[in-house]
Amino acid sequence: AQKITQTQPGMFVQEKEAVTLDCTYDTSDPSYGLFWYKQPSSGEMIFLIYQGSYDQQNATEGRYSLNFQKARKSANLVISASQLGDSAMYFCAMREGSYGGSQGNLIFGKGTKLSVKP
Amino acid sequence: DVKVTQSSRYLVKRTGEKVFLECVQDMDHENMFWYRQDPGLGLRLIYFSYDVKMKEKGDIPEGYSVSREKKERFSLILESASTNQTSMYLCASGDPATNEKLFFGSGTQLSVL
Repeated sequence: AQKITQTQPGMFVQEKEAVTLDCTYDTSDPSYGLFWYKQPSSGEMIFLIYQGSYDQQNATEGRYSLNFQKARKSANLVISASQLGDSAMYFCAMREGSYGGSQGNLIFGKGTKLSVKP
Repeated sequence: DVKVTQSSRYLVKRTGEKVFLECVQDMDHENMFWYRQDPGLGLRLIYFSYDVKMKEKGDIPEGYSVSREKKERFSLILESASTNQTSMYLCASGDPATNEKLFFGSGTQLSVL
């Protein structure tokens, strides 16, 4: 079974509108971390946002917010006021276990390609 | 800023060649990782290392080996390259003591002909 599921292979959004990228995860470990990375056409993976399993509030970083619904095991990324530069691949990832006590590697979803239309 | 540098952005090799992909990080991170990225499959872990000379297999280690002789350098080796190893290879590093996220290099697009 997949540990990280991103059901949207591709999405379009109009410039200046908000968009939600879906991510569901599967783990039995009570301690885990959830990440979103952006990969533009240049190839580099850019860290966007992090949510810990014990965090009470949803994480926010500028125009990015993570809609964390623990009971549903979902960690959707919300991008507000989309910009043309947001066009990229977006990957959801999970680290199982607390960082110091785990392997530290991230398990990635298959990604969502976001295209922002002018 | 943390910098993870991969020696080549593009590589073209022939079937059967021995291929070295080099990765260097400048933040004294203990953990280093090699991922392979293929369209529609996301990133898959090949190998990782949590200390010098230590290595652990990831999800898809077959056909690969690694070397970590110094803390800052983690090399991925394809002993005898095959066409099904044509892919994007991403190196990452992280510090288990202080950091949650991984820092990635720009990737090496390897084509095996």
